[in-house]
Amino acid sequence: KQEVTQIPAALSVPEGENLVLNCSFTDSAIYNLQWFRQDPGKGLTSLLLIQSSQREQTSGRLNASLDKSSGRSTLYIAASQPGDSATYLCAVRRSGGGADGLTFGKGTHLIIQP
Amino acid sequence: DAGVIQSPRHEVTEMGQEVTLRCKPISGHDYLFWYRQTMMRGLELLIYFNNNVPIDDSGMPEDRFSAKMPNASFSTLKIQPSEPRDSAVYFCASRKLVNSPLHFGNGTRLTVT
Repeated sequence: KQEVTQIPAALSVPEGENLVLNCSFTDSAIYNLQWFRQDPGKGLTSLLLIQSSQREQTSGRLNASLDKSSGRSTLYIAASQPGDSATYLCAVRRSGGGADGLTFGKGTHLIIQP
Repeated sequence: DAGVIQSPRHEVTEMGQEVTLRCKPISGHDYLFWYRQTMMRGLELLIYFNNNVPIDDSGMPEDRFSAKMPNASFSTLKIQPSEPRDSAVYFCASRKLVNSPLHFGNGTRLTVT
């Protein structure tokens, strides 16, 4: 059974710092990996989707990498801003037939101090 | 696009009552998923549909839970009878293709007293 772990569970940093969030998964046979952001009381917003054949994806100040063989992904946030404060979740979809649902980590709660 | 729309946003009910949660996926999306989120267990997949057909319901916790998708633009998740341990935020999500990103609604916060 696929398990997804996110470290750290919580992180508080001053505004302007670059930071890295980590995600690891136990079964490397994945179809893709997706990073989400969740604001309090809201749903999840998709940030980046990395297919299994890709190594990284970038969107603005965000960069996500994927090392499938080692079961790891990182989300890099450059020049952090208070508006980046949220919970960040990673999720993996296993490979194989069918459109299986995602397995989620429990998230990293990020606070950017002004 | 309006995104995935869920109703109600909040539901408070007494134990034993029937609860129905509703979801309208993004138009043109062929896949619809129901998730449940709790502090203890995080996000768990309950069931998903492809072209209105249930594909995997192995995450549905008990027979008290049922889900339907009568057409491409509407799905329901029903709990009957509800119990306090069903209290959670229930999310609906949809995606267009097998390898497309998943889009979530804002969720329904269910409280069973």
